[in-house]
Amino acid sequence: GAVVSQHPSRVICKSGTSVKIECRSLDFQATTMFWYRQFPKKSLMLMATSNEGSKATYEQGVEKDKFLINHASLTLSTLTVTSAHPEDSSFYICSASRGRGANVLTFGAGSRLTVL
Amino acid sequence: GIQVEQSPPDLILQEGANSTLRCNFSDSVNNLQWFHQNPWGQLINLFYIPSGTKQNGRLSATTVATERYSLLYISSSQTTDSGVYFCAGGFDSWGKFQFGAGTQVVVTP
Repeated sequence: GAVVSQHPSRVICKSGTSVKIECRSLDFQATTMFWYRQFPKKSLMLMATSNEGSKATYEQGVEKDKFLINHASLTLSTLTVTSAHPEDSSFYICSASRGRGANVLTFGAGSRLTVL
Repeated sequence: GIQVEQSPPDLILQEGANSTLRCNFSDSVNNLQWFHQNPWGQLINLFYIPSGTKQNGRLSATTVATERYSLLYISSSQTTDSGVYFCAGGFDSWGKFQFGAGTQVVVTP
């Protein structure tokens, strides 16, 4: 079955530093990956759509300079939280799609970011 | 955009009880998935069900696309069923989904 690996699962960083989260599709090529953010006891909010080899498409209200997304290969997308602040602390989850028409989403296990 | 409403927001069940979770959509969706988020945060896909009925063990789901709703049935609930259940509707061909707010389920021994 389709497996998506997300790393790291937990990260604690100091305010002002940058943190990179990786999302890998292990056994399939993911032309499209999605990044979500989840606040405690809340639903998942789509942040951006990442297509291999092109710029990410950000949802309204998401700062593209704060949340840098790179989808350099068909199996890897990265989310970099730049100059992190405590309000960026959250649970970040990625999902992957095999591509257009392949509508079943496979999710990574999530990454919990705590900014001190 | 599409609005996804889930009900009830919270559900407390005694072990062995049955329950039904509902998901309503404001507009047509081209696919629909139900997920269970475990206490560690991981999202587990339960069903991909744009229409019809599917069953997997004690869980089953029914989607009536023409009436824009889906139901998730939990039978003979167990404590391991505790967690948050999300439904999500897909509305484009690339797999972009809109999630509902979730139903927090607590199953007590």
